[in-house]
Amino acid sequence: QLQLQESGPGLVKPSETLSLACTVSGGSLSNVSHYWGWIRQPPGKGLEWIGNIYYSGTTHYNPSLKSRVTLSVDTSKNQFSLKLSSLTAADTAVYHCARLDAIFGVVPSHWYFALWGRGTLVTVSS
Amino acid sequence: DIQMTQSPSSLSASVGDSVTITCRASQSITTYLNWYQLKPGKAPKLLIYAASILQSGVPSRFSGSGFGTDFTLTISSLQPDDFATYYCQQSYVVPPMYTFGQGTKLDIK
Repeated sequence: QLQLQESGPGLVKPSETLSLACTVSGGSLSNVSHYWGWIRQPPGKGLEWIGNIYYSGTTHYNPSLKSRVTLSVDTSKNQFSLKLSSLTAADTAVYHCARLDAIFGVVPSHWYFALWGRGTLVTVSS
Repeated sequence: DIQMTQSPSSLSASVGDSVTITCRASQSITTYLNWYQLKPGKAPKLLIYAASILQSGVPSRFSGSGFGTDFTLTISSLQPDDFATYYCQQSYVVPPMYTFGQGTKLDIK
């Protein structure tokens, strides 16, 4: 059964860059039917979509974060990664990675976050 | 951006009750609406996609309905495992700009 596991530092300083990885086990990240995404949840707040990436490297970003976010994929490691720069306390959150599935044959395709990782808490503090 | 508004923001109910959570979109999203269940420390779980399609493995006491701007998630005969926070999410916009509702926390009365 496919599983997703986030990894990265739990504490990062303001103005620095956060780097997180999501390792896909039990399946291939190169499956043509899926996108791979990141979602975060600040403490006590709701969910915010960060961005998606396809195994080929095609990306989509939340416009509110686009200037600070870079997603990448490493098919040899079956991993995809998130970099978020110029961190502030507002970036403190649980960061989840997820697999997106879709209903094809409709326009636009209907995408949904079918499988999630447990998430990793990232605190931005000096 | 399409704004998603859930109501209520919190809800108390007893085991065996039936509850309904509402999600309203700021513009029509036809059936591009998904529902998730979140519990602290656990991986979020997809419940319903395309407004009414039950994800494989999700109990049939969960159901979704709606079209356009108004959607509902109904949980019939609540079980202890159902006490959690529920979020709706739209996937209508292309290129993608996914937005979530603010969440509905369901706790035990």
